[in-house]
Amino acid sequence: NAGVTQTPKFQVLKTGQSMTLQCAQDMNHEYMSWYRQDPGMGLRLIHYSVGAGITDQGEVPNGYNVSRSTTEDFPLRLLSAAPSQTSVYFCASSYSRGARMDNEQFFGPGTRLTVL
Amino acid sequence: GQQVMQIPQYQHVQEGEDFTTYCNSSTTLSNIQWYKQRPGGHPVFLIQLVKSGEVKKQKRLTFQFGEAKKNSSLHITATQTTDVGTYFCAGPGTASKLTFGTGTRLQVTL
Repeated sequence: NAGVTQTPKFQVLKTGQSMTLQCAQDMNHEYMSWYRQDPGMGLRLIHYSVGAGITDQGEVPNGYNVSRSTTEDFPLRLLSAAPSQTSVYFCASSYSRGARMDNEQFFGPGTRLTVL
Repeated sequence: GQQVMQIPQYQHVQEGEDFTTYCNSSTTLSNIQWYKQRPGGHPVFLIQLVKSGEVKKQKRLTFQFGEAKKNSSLHITATQTTDVGTYFCAGPGTASKLTFGTGTRLQVTL
């Protein structure tokens, strides 16, 4: 099993450009999520999905779109990149679906994004 | 919304010293998870606590869940350089969301 994979590992964008961060998992997890990590601010939830065809907003969704057409893939789209979106982005998956969220989260290796 | 705070934000210890990080939630939690992130790496699950007052040990690491299920702690006995990293707690928020704490970065020197 590859676990959770993310591409690209690094990306530099100019302000206003758009791009898609890819995330895939081969563990048949229903739940997938995207976090951004900034120094001193921990991990903040951007969007999440409890299954194919279902997505919802997290704590910091503005400027990002997601879709979930298959169980395996959960891409994150930056519509018009801004310097404030410079961050490390992590995708995660787990068996958890309900309110208890009581299953281990498996994280991908991350994408380090710089917006100039 | 739910907030999960951790203290301290950063701690620097000599190898062999003990280390403790504390996690406090603004709401009662059904469970709490702990993760470790090595420098340049991604968060990796360590453990989950479910019961009020629960204590779990993993070698030199001791995890505790408060009686009121609003706080938790991670204690490392006799730190080693391999313990370097950032430790996060995480608890369920509203709907199907997991809220991570702000993290405690541990630096260990010889």
